[in-house]
Amino acid sequence: NAGVTQTPKFRVLKTGQSMTLLCAQDMNHEYMYWYRQDPGMGLRLIHYSVGEGTTAKGEVPDGYNVSRLKKQNFLLGLESAAPSQTSVYFCASRDGLAGRGYDPYFGPGTRLTVL
Amino acid sequence: DQQVKQNSPSLSVQEGRISILNCDYTNSMFDYFLWYKKYPAEGPTFLISISSIKDKNEDGRFTVFLNKSAKHLSLHIVPSQPGDSAVYFCAASASGSEKLVFGKGTKLTVNP
Repeated sequence: NAGVTQTPKFRVLKTGQSMTLLCAQDMNHEYMYWYRQDPGMGLRLIHYSVGEGTTAKGEVPDGYNVSRLKKQNFLLGLESAAPSQTSVYFCASRDGLAGRGYDPYFGPGTRLTVL
Repeated sequence: DQQVKQNSPSLSVQEGRISILNCDYTNSMFDYFLWYKKYPAEGPTFLISISSIKDKNEDGRFTVFLNKSAKHLSLHIVPSQPGDSAVYFCAASASGSEKLVFGKGTKLTVNP
């Protein structure tokens, strides 16, 4: 049981390049999330998904797209990277069963630098 | 507008003593609160949570207190251990919302 895994761990991009961050979870969770954390800041929600085939915007969605084609995977795409997207990206997932507390499990993070 | 505030960027305590981390919130719609611990180069780890219908929740050395009238919660760690040294994030959510709103974090250092 690996929990939540993220690929890659580190990446350096040039302005205008594109890339996809992959999040995978093996806990059969319904809900998945992408957050970003900037220095001295708390985590901010980018996009989330409440089930396979669904996506929704979070607090800071501009410049990102997501897809949830399979229940266990949640992809975050940057079509044209900008220096403002330099950040650490965390994926999280949680069980959607009623009565459970809202306690998402987080992945180890992807550190992205855009030059 | 910062809805969840952790006003102390850092806290230093001696091993064996109590650590008290504080968190204030402004949104009265928040009804569920969580604390996460984060080590460098790792993802946040869920620590403890509390629903607004309670004013205290305890799990081993960790206790969270919620004062709804003051819109304030605190995390108590007793006794503190060097392995508790990490950044602690307070987070809040409102019923029906998938968004967790995080504070900026407090870096706790427990000295041996």
